Amino acid sequence: DGGITQSPKYLFRKEGQNVTLSCEQNLNHDAMYWYRQDPGQGLRLIYYSQIVNDFQKGDIAEGYSVSREKKESFPLTVTSAQKNPTAFYLCASSIARGRIHYGYTFGSGTRLTVV
Amino acid sequence: SQQGEEDPQALSIQEGENATMNCSYKTSINNLQWYRQNSGRGLVHLILIRSNEREKHSGRLRVTLDTSKKSSSLLITASRAADTASYFCATDSPRNSGGSNYKLTFGKGTLLTVNP
Repeated sequence: DGGITQSPKYLFRKEGQNVTLSCEQNLNHDAMYWYRQDPGQGLRLIYYSQIVNDFQKGDIAEGYSVSREKKESFPLTVTSAQKNPTAFYLCASSIARGRIHYGYTFGSGTRLTVV
Repeated sequence: SQQGEEDPQALSIQEGENATMNCSYKTSINNLQWYRQNSGRGLVHLILIRSNEREKHSGRLRVTLDTSKKSSSLLITASRAADTASYFCATDSPRNSGGSNYKLTFGKGTLLTVNP
């Protein structure tokens, strides 16, 4: 079955530690995205990538980094510079070609907690 | 930046009733999309309506779009307890050169509770 997989489901980070969240898709989608969701809030865009080896900052990129070495994979690193990383992180992918942008397919999310 | 704003923030209805949620946005759009999120899960795409469309149906869902008022509504008919979830609108805004930015801007959502 085609889909998008995020791992781990739950992640605990100590102060000053970098952690990496995994996102893998087998949908052959061009574009991939990382969003952050805080309780009772909407989704805020962290980073997005339209093609391999290229990515752009979203609205809240500070303290985060990404890579897009393969079409299928878009890992997100939460660095120690991110002062308030506790949140629910959602990865998504979509077809993005020409003038058309289709709907997103989301992963099931990673809940990150600072301990 | 927050483009779409859903209204109401929370809605509680009885099973069998209709539920209507509204979304307002600020800038021009290519399309507007509605998503559903069950508690602690990822979002699921429900329906996409393009800027040149006024109404769209999918099963028990009906979406309208009024670009002159920069607003959209999602109607769920004959609601079921399983419809309990948060519903988000998201907008795809055009680039200056035309076409899509290929990124969506989400609102804060409406929490719908359907009581059995």
